[in-house]
Amino acid sequence: QKEVEQDPGPLSVPEGAIVSLNCTYSNSAFQYFMWYRQYSRKGPELLMYTYSSGNKEDGRFTAQVDKSSKYISLFIRDSQPSDSATYLCAMSAPAGGFKTIFGAGTRLFVKA
Amino acid sequence: DAGVIQSPRHEVTEMGQEVTLRCKPISGHDYLFWYRQTMMRGLELLIYFNNNVPIDDSGMPEDRFSAKMPNASFSNLKIQPSEPRDSAVYFCASSLGGGNYNSPLHFGNGTRLTVT
Repeated sequence: QKEVEQDPGPLSVPEGAIVSLNCTYSNSAFQYFMWYRQYSRKGPELLMYTYSSGNKEDGRFTAQVDKSSKYISLFIRDSQPSDSATYLCAMSAPAGGFKTIFGAGTRLFVKA
Repeated sequence: DAGVIQSPRHEVTEMGQEVTLRCKPISGHDYLFWYRQTMMRGLELLIYFNNNVPIDDSGMPEDRFSAKMPNASFSNLKIQPSEPRDSAVYFCASSLGGGNYNSPLHFGNGTRLTVT
């Protein structure tokens, strides 16, 4: 079993829809949770981050962490065609030697 | 700031040949990471350096893979001999302080390697 599980999709939604992206993990030591966005033929870029449990909002994006369930989510409100990309969850542990472990990434398509 | 620079962008080679991938991290960053991305396995950490010193190479798949960081401005990843299953996109990333949420990874645009 992988340490981080993420459905690769693809996920196709109409413009304006609310998008929910999710990851599960097995290592309870993870404390830092991040979402990276990767456009085609580009490297991933940090989109959102949270530390430990809770929610964080940034514009149309909300990140949630539920450590009791080992489950993290990214919500995108009012999705736009420019949001079409691959979204990778990522996490690391304080004692993990700075290893950032990534999920497989979910491909998202937002149709105009 | 030019970001992390990788070269070449594309590499096509025949099985058995040596392949060298290059990376220039962001100036001032003290951590450098090499990742490999495939459809089947996603983004896998191969090796990372702190202040030019290799810290963890447990992700390097085989002895055919080696990486060096001779100075703070340059790292290379070598595969010798290359095999078709090495075909993937190889990313280099750098960070200031290690790559957690407070010091995120900055990725280059990758090298797409095809081994025939």
